[in-house]
Order: sequence, then C-alpha cells, then structure tokens
Amino acid sequence: QKEVEQNSGPLSVPEGAIASLNCTYSDRGSQSFFWYRQYSGKSPELIMFIYSNGDKEDGRFTAQLNKASQYVSLLIRDSQPSDSATYLCAVMRNYGGSQGNLIFGKGTKLSVKP
Amino acid sequence: NAGVTQTPKFRILKIGQSMTLQCTQDMNHNYMYWYRQDPGMGLKLIYYSVGAGITDKGEVPNGYNVSRSTTEDFPLRLELAAPSQTSVYFCASSYEGGTEAFFGQGTRLTVV
Repeated sequence: QKEVEQNSGPLSVPEGAIASLNCTYSDRGSQSFFWYRQYSGKSPELIMFIYSNGDKEDGRFTAQLNKASQYVSLLIRDSQPSDSATYLCAVMRNYGGSQGNLIFGKGTKLSVKP
Repeated sequence: NAGVTQTPKFRILKIGQSMTLQCTQDMNHNYMYWYRQDPGMGLKLIYYSVGAGITDKGEVPNGYNVSRSTTEDFPLRLELAAPSQTSVYFCASSYEGGTEAFFGQGTRLTVV
C-alpha cells in the first residue's frame, strides 16, 4: 500500500517565523515530489516540486528531499497570515508499475498568527 | 484559456441514482486524474489516465467508473449512489508524469 504521511496539525506559528512542514512516503519508486497549498473551499494549487535529493528554494519557500529517508519537507520563511492554508504533500512514480499514480497526504493545516 | 473545467459544481443525488461528473481540459495534457476529498482530509485518488484509451485504478475506485476516449475529456461515472460517496470531487490534469497538476474547481456531491 503506497502511503504519504503528514501531521494533520494544526501548526500554529507567529507572523514572521519559519513554518516547517514534513512528509514521509512509503513507495521507494517515487520520483517526483510536490507541495500544494489549498485554501478552505478552494482547489489545490502548486507551491513547489522537487525531483533530486537536497534543497530547492523559490522565494520564501524551500523544499527538501531525502530519498534515503523517504522524507520531504517544506520550509516557509517570514510566514504571513496569507500563508494560512492546508499544505498537501504529493508523490508520483514516473515510470514502471503504477506510472502516473499521483498520491496525496492528508495535509497539514497551517495557521499564521498576526 | 479555461484550464480544467468540471460540471456540475453542486449536485444532490438520491441513494441508488446514477450520474456522470464531467471533466474537460484544453491544455492538451496527457495525464488526467479524479480525486475525492472528504471533510478535513486529503485527496484520495479514484482513477487516473496517462492518455486517451488508457485508465487505471487509484486508491478508492470502488463504486466509480471512468473512460478516456479523447485527450480532452475524462468523465467519472457513479452507477448506484451511496451516502459514502458524499464528498467533493476534483478533476486534475498534467502534461506528463512529474509535472504540475492543474485542478478544476471541484464538484460538491451530496447523496441522501
């Protein structure tokens, strides 16, 4: 059973702090890793993707991937109240059995307090 | 450029009724997906397709059927609606594996 695990939260951080969101996955064949943000009542939208071990930075967001530990994280620096949302981790196997199977975790609810 | 369009936005079904949720995309994406999202939960993959004529089961396929006769359309069929199928349904598409998935606005389905 392929699984993606996240702490459901809520994770509460003060404005300006760093928010750290974590995700583990069970399928060692996963090759692509995504972080989506979902505001209440809205559709998910992509924040970042990462394919290789290490860090990937985009503005205030940094994604970290450790395939050996099957661990993905998202850091949000200088958190803003507008970052308050649910963050969904997703993984995909790009080839072989179950190719195209894009699996999501349950999401972590982030609350940034002014 | 409409992106991913789902219809209807809302629907109430009676137990045992059938319906089709429509999904169409105009981005020439090969991959399409159907998810359901229960309150406070993440997205559960129902079915997905990596191209026209190719579909595969996801995590929770029971009670649903799909077809992919064209690149643009990926309808989801509920044959005998049950209260357990009350959920928000999202359709998504991506150009290929490993690329960003774009989501439709969702269909809120209630089975009573």
